[in-house]
Amino acid sequence: EPEVTQTPSHQVTQMGQEVILRCVPISNHLYFYWYRQILGQKVEFLVSFYNNEISEKSEIFDDQFSVERPDGSNFTLKIRSTKLEDSAMYFCASSETGQGGNEQFFGPGTRLTVL
Amino acid sequence: AQSVSQHNHHVILSEAASLELGCNYSYGGTVNLFWYVQYPGQHLQLLLKYFSGDPLVKGIKGFEAEFIKSKFSFNLRKPSVQWSDTAEYFCAAKTGANNLFFGTGTRLTVIP
Repeated sequence: EPEVTQTPSHQVTQMGQEVILRCVPISNHLYFYWYRQILGQKVEFLVSFYNNEISEKSEIFDDQFSVERPDGSNFTLKIRSTKLEDSAMYFCASSETGQGGNEQFFGPGTRLTVL
Repeated sequence: AQSVSQHNHHVILSEAASLELGCNYSYGGTVNLFWYVQYPGQHLQLLLKYFSGDPLVKGIKGFEAEFIKSKFSFNLRKPSVQWSDTAEYFCAAKTGANNLFFGTGTRLTVIP
C-alpha cells in the first residue's frame, strides 16, 4: 500500500540554525500539506501546496518557513533561524484532490528538537 | 474561528467494554468530519469520515460515528473494544478550506 514517507525521523539542531524536513508524498497525489504538533498540544495546520504553489497557510507559517517541491517526488519544509519553540513533531500529508471529503494520508512525522 | 474539542484526554477501559469518545466542533457552515487513529509508533490513519448523507458513519475495525448537526458533535463509538484498540484518537474537521482542524486527541488504553 502506498504511503507518505518522511526523513529524518528525528532532527536535533541548535537554535538559529536552518533545517530542512523532507517528505515523499504518495505518487499520484496532487495536494501536499505540513502540520505540526508541539508536545501536549493539538496537531496544527501549517501550509498546503498545489500545482507548485502555496494554496493556503496558517498564521503560524510566517517568513521563517518555506516549502518547495524541488523535484517530482520530494516536498520539503525549510525552517530558517530555528527557535526553541519550533521543537515539535512535523507531519507531512498528501491527498489526491482538495475536495471536502478527500482523505489526507499522513507520514510518520519528523521530531524536531531545537536546543 | 473553527475549532475542534475533544473532552476526554485519557480513557481507560477493559476489553469488551463499550467506547464513546466525544468530539465537538465550532463552525456554522458545511463541515466534513474525520476520526484519525495513531497506534503506538505508527502513522495517523483514517478511521472514518463524514462528508454528507447518512449521519451514522461506519469505519474500519468496527468503529462508527454519528454526526449530530444540532449538537455540533461527531462522537466515535465502538460496542466492544479490544486490547489492539489502544491508541490515540484524533477528531478533525475540514470546512471550506482544505486544511484539517484537529482536536487535542484522546488516548485510549484498553486493559486485557
